[in-house]
Amino acid sequence: DAGITQSPRYKITETGRQVTLMCHQTWSHSYMFWYRQDLGHGLRLIYYSAAADITDKGEVPDGYVVSRSKTENFPLTLESATRSQTSVYFCASSEYRGRNSPLHFGNGTRLTVT
Amino acid sequence: AQKVTQAQTEISVVEKEDVTLDCVYETRDTTYYLFWYKQPPSGELVFLIRRNSFDEQNEISGRYSWNFQKSTSSFNFTITASQVVDSAVYFCALKETSGSRLTFGEGTQLTVNP
Repeated sequence: DAGITQSPRYKITETGRQVTLMCHQTWSHSYMFWYRQDLGHGLRLIYYSAAADITDKGEVPDGYVVSRSKTENFPLTLESATRSQTSVYFCASSEYRGRNSPLHFGNGTRLTVT
Repeated sequence: AQKVTQAQTEISVVEKEDVTLDCVYETRDTTYYLFWYKQPPSGELVFLIRRNSFDEQNEISGRYSWNFQKSTSSFNFTITASQVVDSAVYFCALKETSGSRLTFGEGTQLTVNP
């Protein structure tokens, strides 16, 4: 089915470990985004990508790395996980920049860092 | 810098009551887009509506209506005759045409009690 899928849905990891969250979309949308959702902060942008091989920082990029070698995939890596990165992570995509196009979100990945 | 404020953290109503969720935004752009998303208890983010800054007409969709007032930088959302299924976190968001990122408010938790 067309859409945007995230994996895994739930992940528990230990402090200091590397963990990668996967995001795949089938719409061929140009733009992809990673947000984290924390109580009291709403959703905050971590990184975004305008196209394959083009990425840019959002509000809270520290401690995260992204890549986009293919249009449909946008993995997010925590190189050395910390407890403050315990959060729900949402991937999203949209067609156009700056236009009236909404973001379409995946179902989220709940990450716990112990 | 763009900012979205949802001053109501939590609202609780009884079924069939009308409820209005407030959203106030800040932006320097003259052209921008406003969105509302719903996040039910299952966790996914569901797009509800978008509005561009040149269109100040109010919109109604079934029991939902949106009041956009540029003069007060507000984009309020009203649910008429609320139902238990309306219980969710609602997010207001802003996208400037000068950028591609969507900035979210902190969300309003709406609880509709039977």
